[in-house]
Amino acid sequence: DAKTTQPNSMESNEEEPVHLPCNHSTISGTDYIHWYRQLPSQGPEYVIHGLTSNVNNRMASLAIAEDRKSSTLILHRATLRDAAVYYCILRGWGTSGSRLTFGEGTQLTVNP
Amino acid sequence: DTAVSQTPKYLVTQMGNDKSIKCEQNLGHDTMYWYKQDSKKFLKIMFSYNNKELIINETVPNRFSPKSPDKAHLNLHINSLELGDSAVYFCASHNRDANTGELFFGEGSRLTVL
Repeated sequence: DAKTTQPNSMESNEEEPVHLPCNHSTISGTDYIHWYRQLPSQGPEYVIHGLTSNVNNRMASLAIAEDRKSSTLILHRATLRDAAVYYCILRGWGTSGSRLTFGEGTQLTVNP
Repeated sequence: DTAVSQTPKYLVTQMGNDKSIKCEQNLGHDTMYWYKQDSKKFLKIMFSYNNKELIINETVPNRFSPKSPDKAHLNLHINSLELGDSAVYFCASHNRDANTGELFFGEGSRLTVL
């Protein structure tokens, strides 16, 4: 599975935008870029995903570099509830179908 | 309604015991997973079943035996529990070949082996 690299931790202030970077220089042409987050004592939850174009949904935006070797998850206005570990994952395809391999993630702290 | 539910939520047991964790999803998905999250918070895939067929079997001790009686259920049985088995076990499901591929996770089952 192709690997992703994320900063271990980031900090933000409440109601400010947050840009969470992810490097995935070995991404293959068929890999989707997925983002999940894990709030304390909960299971991971889906945030957003994309292939080549930038994507927006009610939770966040995903900006994908033109060469697809990096991407950025954008939270437009951070709230205290957004404090979580954010995982950038490449969804690869194999003979057993797709799988999601989680990396170490970025611990986001949101200050009031 | 809970989409992916796991039982029990907490499990404390002695070394050498055998225990099971159950998982059920009511989303109509065809693929289910077990992930293990250790104390360092790494989430590692253990097993995956697609329509009751084992499709992913990572390097996991054979003391761990998954069972899928139907596509809505995936249980995990662990024999001869060891201290290193202490972790949070997450069940997840999705439709394998769907492009969206959003994975739905349960709330986790925290296993503590004493």
